[in-house]
Amino acid sequence: DTAVSQTPKYLVTQMGNDKSIKCEQNLGHDTMYWYKQDSKKFLKIMFSYNNKELIINETVPNRFSPKSPDKAHLNLHINSLELGDSAVYFCASTYGRGGEQYFGPGTRLTVT
Amino acid sequence: AQTVTQSQPEMSVQEAETVTLSCTYDTSESDYYLFWYKQPPSRQMILVIRQEAYKQQNATENRFSVNFQKAAKSFSLKISDSQLGDAAMYFCAYFGAGGGADGLTFGKGTHLIIQP
Repeated sequence: DTAVSQTPKYLVTQMGNDKSIKCEQNLGHDTMYWYKQDSKKFLKIMFSYNNKELIINETVPNRFSPKSPDKAHLNLHINSLELGDSAVYFCASTYGRGGEQYFGPGTRLTVT
Repeated sequence: AQTVTQSQPEMSVQEAETVTLSCTYDTSESDYYLFWYKQPPSRQMILVIRQEAYKQQNATENRFSVNFQKAAKSFSLKISDSQLGDAAMYFCAYFGAGGGADGLTFGKGTHLIIQP
């Protein structure tokens, strides 16, 4: 069974569109994250979500919004996509603080 | 804010040799966690090793070991008996143990090449 899954793995869309990326973890973890990996491979935290508490990295545009229907899911919704949003987006989860973060396979988003 | 620095964008080593990847970090916290993650071409992020800052003993996982120098804020990764499957991007990461849930802070990565 896949521990952290993301759908889709690849997403190609046009500027201005709205899209969502889904993330599910079956590990019983209490904290989930979204990271962005840019074209230079640099990884940066976007959001963390723990027990209904959302912490947002201040550099993330408000066009990005995470939505958590339950503890096992943290979806990423992006409005009005821009060329600069092209990147690989990783979902991750962990239990408690300082534990291993389990990453999903990533979603490569290409905005044309 | 914490920062993580990996000063080697790329390293190359012969198969079966030993290689050390460097990582330094900056923090004002006394309690934190450090990680090395591996990202092969498949782009899957794989945990290599984890170190708790309050533990003085260096973490070891099979051929992978770290040299954790808390006072110097240094956390290098040593890979012994390098194998072709070790070829990947390696990321050093920091997680603070303070309040909040602000995720991992990553270095820019080191691309490790294994020469057959």
